[in-house]
Amino acid sequence: NAGVTQTPKFQVLKTGQSMTLQCAQDMNHEYMSWYRQDPGMGLRLIHYSVGAGITDQGEVPNGYNVSRSTTEDFPLRLLSAAPSQTSVYFCASSRGQGAGIKTGELFFGEGSRLTVL
Amino acid sequence: AQTVTQSQPEMSVQEAETVTLSCTYDTSESDYYLFWYKQPPSRQMILVIRQEAYKQQNATENRFSVNFQKAAKSFSLKISDSQLGDAAMYFCAYRGLIQGAQKLVFGQGTRLTINP
Repeated sequence: NAGVTQTPKFQVLKTGQSMTLQCAQDMNHEYMSWYRQDPGMGLRLIHYSVGAGITDQGEVPNGYNVSRSTTEDFPLRLLSAAPSQTSVYFCASSRGQGAGIKTGELFFGEGSRLTVL
Repeated sequence: AQTVTQSQPEMSVQEAETVTLSCTYDTSESDYYLFWYKQPPSRQMILVIRQEAYKQQNATENRFSVNFQKAAKSFSLKISDSQLGDAAMYFCAYRGLIQGAQKLVFGQGTRLTINP
């Protein structure tokens, strides 16, 4: 009953360092996405993917890269961390286009708190 | 552009009372979905209730119900018989076609406090 698994749950970085937030789901979901949560701003979409090999930018993509080589995994990369990227990051997935998308529900991971000093 | 607005940053209610959280959204689409998510201190995002725009009947899940006013683009959440476990951040969210792709857009959130 894993659902969406994010690692690590906590991370502290120095400005300029790189890191990857991992996200894996075991529900065979086609749609996967990354959000960042900042106080007073709700959750904002960073990148999303509608299937393996397909990714696209969301509302706040700058400073982040993604790839989707498998259906299960959707890692988020910070190539050169900045203090403005201090946030809580959520990975979420759902069934893809067709009947599944009509329910619309996203399943979320537990979040990863990232601090950039 | 699709936006979701929650005008109440914080709300409080006495245990066992009823509280209504407000949400408005902006869209030019006719086919979309609206959600309320709950985020307790554990940080986990939990789906509370969903509403499909083509359905006129308001969704209900036990003590949670919505007032969906499509023409007014309003989607409020009513929590009846409030319980201490209802204390959390509540996010309203819109899911629909945005710039050619299905996306989910969130409001800023409302922090709900339950007073014993």
